[in-house]
Amino acid sequence: DAGVIQSPRHEVTEMGQEVTLRCKPISGHNSLFWYRQTMMRGLELLIYFNNNVPIDDSGMPEDRFSAKMPNASFSTLKIQPSEPRDSAVYFCASSFRGHQGGTEAFFGQGTRLTVV
Amino acid sequence: AQKVTQAQTEISVVEKEDVTLDCVYETRDTTYYLFWYKQPPSGELVFLIRRNSFDEQNEISGRYSWNFQKSTSSFNFTITASQVVDSAVYFCALASGNTGKLIFGQGTTLQVKP
Repeated sequence: DAGVIQSPRHEVTEMGQEVTLRCKPISGHNSLFWYRQTMMRGLELLIYFNNNVPIDDSGMPEDRFSAKMPNASFSTLKIQPSEPRDSAVYFCASSFRGHQGGTEAFFGQGTRLTVV
Repeated sequence: AQKVTQAQTEISVVEKEDVTLDCVYETRDTTYYLFWYKQPPSGELVFLIRRNSFDEQNEISGRYSWNFQKSTSSFNFTITASQVVDSAVYFCALASGNTGKLIFGQGTTLQVKP
């Protein structure tokens, strides 16, 4: 398996523009997580899905952020409008969760977002 | 509330020294998982180990070893005979048993000098 695939790897955008980050989880995994990494706040969970359904979005900072998972092999994180303080590395991770527990989460390479 | 504390912000050692990275966690869950991830300078997060709350056996994998002690809520990570390639940021993380969502510590930056 190719692992978790994120695109783009780097994104530079102007303040006010819409940004869409993409993630393809590992095939067979049924849980997907979006994390954000900044110097100030470290690694923080934004939202996670189980079986394509959003379970906990309490980490999503504002209404400007939205995430979707239309099917088991694709998820997006959208920021509209973007602001300079959104600059960070965004990671997508996936794992498998069953009735008797689950696997560890495997992370994508991350998307480094810079909003100028 | 769940929390992970990595008190050591930065550690610097000389190659071949042993080094221990500390991790202390807080949770009220009876079933939980503990993890270590490595983030090398290239930026990706690499999974190293997972332990569940019912298994306190220590684990060794090559030069890496982990010591899990529920009595002190600690899950420490030791690198024996460190190498320059071990230089990275290491994160300890906690997940409750029924969600899988990770709570990360702030990370420890390890620098191994030749």
